[in-house]
Amino acid sequence: GAVVSQHPSWVICKSGTSVKIECRSLDFQATTMFWYRQFPKQSLMLMATSNEGSKATYEQGVEKDKFLINHASLTLSTLTVTSAHPEDSSFYICSASGLDLDTQYFGPGTRLTVL
Amino acid sequence: KQEVTQIPAALSVPEGENLVLNCSFTDSAIYNLQWFRQDPGKGLTSLLLIQSSQREQTSGRLNASLDKSSGRSTLYIAASQPGDSATYLCAVSKGGGNKLTFGTGTQLKVEL
Repeated sequence: GAVVSQHPSWVICKSGTSVKIECRSLDFQATTMFWYRQFPKQSLMLMATSNEGSKATYEQGVEKDKFLINHASLTLSTLTVTSAHPEDSSFYICSASGLDLDTQYFGPGTRLTVL
Repeated sequence: KQEVTQIPAALSVPEGENLVLNCSFTDSAIYNLQWFRQDPGKGLTSLLLIQSSQREQTSGRLNASLDKSSGRSTLYIAASQPGDSATYLCAVSKGGGNKLTFGTGTQLKVEL
């Protein structure tokens, strides 16, 4: 089946630094990738949708200058949390869709802790 | 704005019991509904996908039903096992592009 990986699986950083999270589709071409955020004991909230080669579409309330998304190839999307603060600490999950838009394949998630 | 609610928030049952998880959504104009499983600290595993034109889907011990007009779906788990312990999430999509709105989740614990 289709596999999506994320790197790193966890990261701890100091407040004010930037962190990059990678999302890769390992065995299929992902025309669309999604980024979600999940706070403890809460559900997943969609942050943005990205299509290869074009700018990401952000959900209401998500700062595009703070959460930079790049989908430069059909197998890689990156999320950069700029000037991270403790309130950005969360579990970030990506998903990817190929030609079958009904199906999203989810990555294992990245736990970000900002001190 | 679509809102998806799941009841109960948490559930603990003895092994072997049949159980039902509930999902309700406020906007019935959905494209499809999916049930996912999430283990602690992990990503999501898709369990069942029901298209808006379908009433139910089955996979092994799992059966999901959809009543679009009333904005409800149920996930039925037969003969529960400790390995079924996880958080179960339902999610709806509105249409093309497949943006998912997730429910609040039900944390299930199946005890020996």
